[in-house]
Amino acid sequence: ETGVTQTPRHLVMGMTNKKSLKCEQHLGHNAMYWYKQSAKKPLELMFVYSLEERVENNSVPSRFSPECPNSSHLFLHLHTLQPEDSALYLCASSQDHWTGELFFGEGSRLTVL
Amino acid sequence: KNEVEQSPQNLTAQEGEFITINCSYSVGISALHWLQQHPGGGIVSLFMLSSGKKKHGRLIATINIQEKHSSLHITASHPRDSAVYICAVSGEYGNKLVFGAGTILRVKS
Repeated sequence: ETGVTQTPRHLVMGMTNKKSLKCEQHLGHNAMYWYKQSAKKPLELMFVYSLEERVENNSVPSRFSPECPNSSHLFLHLHTLQPEDSALYLCASSQDHWTGELFFGEGSRLTVL
Repeated sequence: KNEVEQSPQNLTAQEGEFITINCSYSVGISALHWLQQHPGGGIVSLFMLSSGKKKHGRLIATINIQEKHSSLHITASHPRDSAVYICAVSGEYGNKLVFGAGTILRVKS
């Protein structure tokens, strides 16, 4: 139990579907992150939120839409995805933006058909 | 060339062996992280260090700032150590992490 919970763990969706990934942290951290991990590639940062404000959008296509309603919850809304978006999506949190240890969730394995 | 290079890419060891995984980086950093990723996907932070050496159980991490190099050592390796080990660095001004490609470790019994 890392204190960061992601749901769902697995998701299969068609290219026209709309779905959302959810992340919740119980650590009292102020910063939360979405990362993408594609097969045989290093982790790629997608978004960073600090105190519920988006502080970084790493050139992510608009078909990925993040939402951070409070410092404990982070969503990634998915719409009109492509098969190449199939990957493991990992949420992480840290005490403050880019300082301190990162705590990761278990990841959401997404398959786009 | 990636800013963070790990070696080896793949490593197979016999149970009980001493294991070393290396990480070299080419940028100024404020900290270096070693992470462990098990087959299920979840990632656990093992160490965050900016100088010297840290030890936790059978794991030891060292960093040489002048040489821009870090090593992760596992003593008395065990099959449950089988995982992907990832090195990541945070920039000189505490900005975003850059990740290595990972080292796939398999420990056989």
